[in-house]
Amino acid sequence: SQTIHQWPATLVQPVGSPLSLECTVEGTSNPNLYWYRQAAGRGLQLLFYSVGIGQISSEVPQNLSASRPQDRQFILSSKKLLLSDSGFYLCAWSLLGGYTFGSGTRLTVV
Amino acid sequence: QQQVKQSPQSLIVQKGGISIINCAYENTAFDYFPWYQQFPGKGPALLIAIRPDVSEKKEGRFTISFNKSAKQFSLHIMDSQPGDSATYFCAALFSTLGRLYFGRGTQLTVWP
Repeated sequence: SQTIHQWPATLVQPVGSPLSLECTVEGTSNPNLYWYRQAAGRGLQLLFYSVGIGQISSEVPQNLSASRPQDRQFILSSKKLLLSDSGFYLCAWSLLGGYTFGSGTRLTVV
Repeated sequence: QQQVKQSPQSLIVQKGGISIINCAYENTAFDYFPWYQQFPGKGPALLIAIRPDVSEKKEGRFTISFNKSAKQFSLHIMDSQPGDSATYFCAALFSTLGRLYFGRGTQLTVWP
């Protein structure tokens, strides 16, 4: 069966520090991969999606970047965090349409 | 531009009552309409989904009603329970692009 792993679960980082969130998928090949951000009490904002290794599409201009170094690995990064980067970050994968979400990372920038 | 519009933003229902959440879309190219349930601190999980060639789908206490001509669909939760308290997202999918568009979510609270 397919599973998605996302870590860490929570993270507190100072302003100006770098960020690396990792997501891996098991049990499937060549999935579409997505990074979403959810502000407190708000909806889901698509940040990046990838249809293959090295292929990244960005939905909104921001302080973040994404990379897909392997088929089932998706990484969200920042060189210097801003206070506004705080939020709940969700990784998801899809194959043939249905989306499966990871358990999320709660990022607090202080 | 919001591709999928969802209402209400919040909903309070008494235990045993019916919870109804509505969504509307504009693009007729959407071909799959899932609903997701999200508990605090967790990722959204697929609850139930429907394709546009079906007018209704029922799974236990959860029912999707789909009106293709009106481009609207809704989630009905019968006999609502406190354990149903969560945020619910409707969504619409372009299968060929693999892109899923979400509504803004409805925070449901079921009082015991």
